[in-house]
Amino acid sequence: GDSVTQMEGPVTLSEEAFLTINCTYTATGYPSLFWYVQYPGEGLQLLLKATKADDKGSNKGFEATYRKETTSFHLEKGSVQVSDSAVYFCVIANTGNQFYFGTGTSLTVIP
Amino acid sequence: EAGVAQSPRYKIIEKRQSVAFWCNPISGHATLYWYQQILGQGPKLLIQFQNNGVVDDSQLPKDRFSAERLKGVDSTLKIQPAKLEDSAVYLCASNPRGNTEAFFGQGTRLTVV
Repeated sequence: GDSVTQMEGPVTLSEEAFLTINCTYTATGYPSLFWYVQYPGEGLQLLLKATKADDKGSNKGFEATYRKETTSFHLEKGSVQVSDSAVYFCVIANTGNQFYFGTGTSLTVIP
Repeated sequence: EAGVAQSPRYKIIEKRQSVAFWCNPISGHATLYWYQQILGQGPKLLIQFQNNGVVDDSQLPKDRFSAERLKGVDSTLKIQPAKLEDSAVYLCASNPRGNTEAFFGQGTRLTVV
């Protein structure tokens, strides 16, 4: 079945460090790919998305590129801030419009 | 635009009791989902509705969980009887169509004691 494998956490970085969170997926057809973020005490919200191969999603300095050849959608940010501390989920939506989540990666950014 | 509304926000019940959660999706969104998120894990899809019909309920424990979406708008999820392992956050989400994101409610945190 469709599934997502996401880098385990927790991850702790110093402010202004480079962030990469790895994500790979298994799906039939051509899924849409998403990163969702959950800030402390808040609900899940969309961070960025890509709906076809080679698309790059970006938002708030975060980027991820839909790589069909490696079935990956790694999340990157060049310089993290304390306010980026949150749990990040890699998500796929298959052709049946079902959304499957990775296990989540907790990020803590220290000043 | 109003978001996905869920109630209650918190619920504590004893095992073997029953509980119900309510969700009102974003107006006009045809697809509605219920997810279960156990602490430290990613959300797991329980059931997907398209309008008032069930599209996928393969991961819904049907011996104790039930869900309905009357009139294709709001939805209720029921657990009867509850077990300790049902302690989780129950999330409702809606989606207007394919290739777009799902919008999530704040969730209901259930504790079974």
